[in-house]
Amino acid sequence: NAGVTQTPKFQVLKTGQSMTLQCAQDMNHNSMYWYRQDPGMGLRLIYYSASEGTTDKGEVPNGYNVSRLNKREFSLRLESAAPSQTSVYFCASGGTLDEKLFFGSGTQLSVL
Amino acid sequence: KQEVTQIPAALSVPEGENLVLNCSFTDSAIYNLQWFRQDPGKGLTSLLLIQSSQREQTSGRLNASLDKSSGRSTLYIAASQPGDSATYLCAVDTGGFKTIFGAGTRLFVKA
Repeated sequence: NAGVTQTPKFQVLKTGQSMTLQCAQDMNHNSMYWYRQDPGMGLRLIYYSASEGTTDKGEVPNGYNVSRLNKREFSLRLESAAPSQTSVYFCASGGTLDEKLFFGSGTQLSVL
Repeated sequence: KQEVTQIPAALSVPEGENLVLNCSFTDSAIYNLQWFRQDPGKGLTSLLLIQSSQREQTSGRLNASLDKSSGRSTLYIAASQPGDSATYLCAVDTGGFKTIFGAGTRLFVKA
């Protein structure tokens, strides 16, 4: 019962470097999401994918891109990392038709 | 714009105490409300989901209520235990795949 799996768990980048966060879910959910969580703030939606083949911007999309590779996988890419992107990133799935949201364990990213 | 507020930001109680966590939201047009638990360094785990047509949901020692008209929800934890220590977040589904989260209440239950 893996649920939502995120990799990596930790990452340190230098300003300007790029990286991709990977996410996979095995619950056959149509919808997937990327959130960031910063101290003292709630989670903020970066991008979401309502279904395979579609992606849309959330509240804070600037500096990020996403790919819904198939129904299981949804990746988040930072093309040119900035210190303001230091955060904890969570992938989630579910959340449609009164489904609960299921979260991965998070990626702690530091941009120096 | 929907805003979700949780007060207090932190709470410390002795073991065995019954407690209530509060959540308020500014727009009553919601599809559902969820309460989550987050342990340090971990992801969020959904505890209870209350649909907009429901007034409350119960799971074990947890009971969540929803009053849409007043924009409020409460999470009641009975007979608190040290293992309940965590951050509790509420979140409202506003439709369009947009779930808005509160900043959470950090709970510490003292043995």
